[in-house]
Amino acid sequence: AQKVTQAQTEISVVEKEDVTLDCVYETRDTTYYLFWYKQPPSGELVFLIRRNSFDEQNEISGRYSWNFQKSTSSFNFTITASQVVDSAVYFCALSDLNQAGTALIFGKGTTLSVSS
Amino acid sequence: DTGVSQDPRHKITKRGQNVTFRCDPISEHNRLYWYRQTLGQGPEFLTYFQNEAQLEKSRLLSDRFSAERPKGSFSTLEIQRTEQGDSAMYLCASSSPAGTTIEQFFGPGTRLTVL
Repeated sequence: AQKVTQAQTEISVVEKEDVTLDCVYETRDTTYYLFWYKQPPSGELVFLIRRNSFDEQNEISGRYSWNFQKSTSSFNFTITASQVVDSAVYFCALSDLNQAGTALIFGKGTTLSVSS
Repeated sequence: DTGVSQDPRHKITKRGQNVTFRCDPISEHNRLYWYRQTLGQGPEFLTYFQNEAQLEKSRLLSDRFSAERPKGSFSTLEIQRTEQGDSAMYLCASSSPAGTTIEQFFGPGTRLTVL
């Protein structure tokens, strides 16, 4: 069965600190997609990144970076120089590449609090 | 704004009443999804439409729940005989199979409280 584990329930940092959010996934599929979403206090899930299982290249987008390692089934998310506006719940999710129109399997989320 | 919209944003009802929620997806997206999110949890998949066809349903979708997408555009989710355990945020998302846009874009959700 597919499963996503986000072991960190809550993380608190001070502005400008770097923070890494962990995501470990389980799947029997050889091809799949991984996602990160942000849910700010307003409640709307915001798409951040998609990565397919064929592409283990790490990605950087501004202060955000993602480290995908198939060997450890992990897809970790790092925010560099965190800001108060980064405070939100972050979800990692998994879906089957061959049936990309179907369900996303979400982790329970990590609540990030950034204080000034 | 061409994002996913949901109506109403909040609904309070008494146990045993029926409720209906509406979702309007991004206009060019032919795939539409419903999820449910309870406090402290990630969203859980309920059902999925491609155009007007309902292609997948979760075991979470009991017989009190029904979803429709009659013309392949907006969708409705109805809960009959609501129970307190139905209290949750109901999220709608849409996606398009074209190109690389397979990620799902979410609406603001409908928060249901069953008293």
